[in-house]
Amino acid sequence: DIQMTQSPSSLSASIGERVTITCRASQDISSYLNWYQQKPGKAPKLLIYATSTLQSGVPSRFSGSGSGTDFTLIISDLQPEDFATYYCQQSYSTPHTFGGGTKVEI
Amino acid sequence: QITLKESGPTLVKPTQTLTLTCTFSGFSLNSNGVGVGWIRQPPGKALEWLAVIYWNDDKRYSSSLMSRLTITKDTSKNQVVFTMTNMDPVDTATYFCAHSPPRGSSRRFDYWGQGTLVTVSS
Repeated sequence: DIQMTQSPSSLSASIGERVTITCRASQDISSYLNWYQQKPGKAPKLLIYATSTLQSGVPSRFSGSGSGTDFTLIISDLQPEDFATYYCQQSYSTPHTFGGGTKVEI
Repeated sequence: QITLKESGPTLVKPTQTLTLTCTFSGFSLNSNGVGVGWIRQPPGKALEWLAVIYWNDDKRYSSSLMSRLTITKDTSKNQVVFTMTNMDPVDTATYFCAHSPPRGSSRRFDYWGQGTLVTVSS
């Protein structure tokens, strides 16, 4: 199975800041990388798929980049509603494993 | 509008079999490329991908849990049934079902159910 490692596991940030979350795959996954946002007690929400394609309705302050084994989610101009936990997921091969999550806190 | 909802027991005993049903609307599992998956999340922990079934009855499972899992579909009822045998307290988690659109550029889950918390305890 492909292992997904996210860093950091948690971070503190302020409103208006730029936040960077990284995700590393244990092998080359090309561009088959998705990002989800999850708030407490809620189901995850798809933010970005195929590394950099924004899901419909997701604000443009979210962006993704990378290829191969190293990927990045950037939140520019952090907003109050962005405080949540973020997960990456590879869809290169089943099982489509998730990363361990990054909690973004104030 | 796509919606999904999980249903099933909230409490199961160790060694029992868990059966969960995902009832969905707004799409058909007969449509080319569409899938429905199951994902779980133990309290305070990360998401874990469990299984997916596609429109053509292709089924994929978690490697570590494969021997305990079964996923089936009933397209006439718009339902996907997920079973996990030999339940253990470590299987206590919120179980989600989710819609996977035709692959396009990447397999993904774009619509999720609200999740159902399953507790394993005697």
